[in-house]
Amino acid sequence: DAGVIQSPRHEVTEMGQEVTLRCKPISGHNSLFWYRQTMMRGLELLIYFNNNVPIDDSGMPEDRFSAKMPNASFSTLKIQPSEPRDSAVYFCASIWGSDSYNEQFFGPGTRLTVL
Amino acid sequence: AQTVTQSQPEMSVQEAETVTLSCTYDTSESDYYLFWYKQPPSRQMILVIRQEAYKQQNATENRFSVNFQKAAKSFSLKISDSQLGDAAMYFCAWWGTYKYIFGTGTRLKVLA
Repeated sequence: DAGVIQSPRHEVTEMGQEVTLRCKPISGHNSLFWYRQTMMRGLELLIYFNNNVPIDDSGMPEDRFSAKMPNASFSTLKIQPSEPRDSAVYFCASIWGSDSYNEQFFGPGTRLTVL
Repeated sequence: AQTVTQSQPEMSVQEAETVTLSCTYDTSESDYYLFWYKQPPSRQMILVIRQEAYKQQNATENRFSVNFQKAAKSFSLKISDSQLGDAAMYFCAWWGTYKYIFGTGTRLKVLA
């Protein structure tokens, strides 16, 4: 298995632009997580899907952020409009089942820079 | 609200020695899980070890073991026989009721 796939690996954009980050979870995993990592705030859980349904989005910072999971093999995290403070590494992770004692498998992350 | 605190931003250990990374948490829930994840310079997050809160026995994975003190809400990670490949950021994490809370991490340096 290729593991969790994220694209792009790096994204540089200008303030005000729309940014879309993509994630393909491991086949058979039915729970998916989006995280943001910064030096200041560490690793923050943004949103958690189970069977394509958002279970908890309380970590989404504001309305500029939205996430979708249209099917079991694909999820997007969109920022519109982007701001310099959104610069961070965004990780996607998936687990098998809904029991989060199972190991989370993380993708390689997308490093976002907003100028 | 749940919190996870790692009070050691950075630690150093001599190769082949033992080091303990600290983690404390705060929760009112009785059923939860605790994890240690490793993030090497490659940025890839890797599970090191996990513990179910209802189990009193401390988890062990080869050179990695935990000291889980539920009453004190403490979950420290012990690395024995440290190796150069252990150098990384280590994150303590708490899971309960659809919430994953990570600590701010401890950077471990391994000295040759």
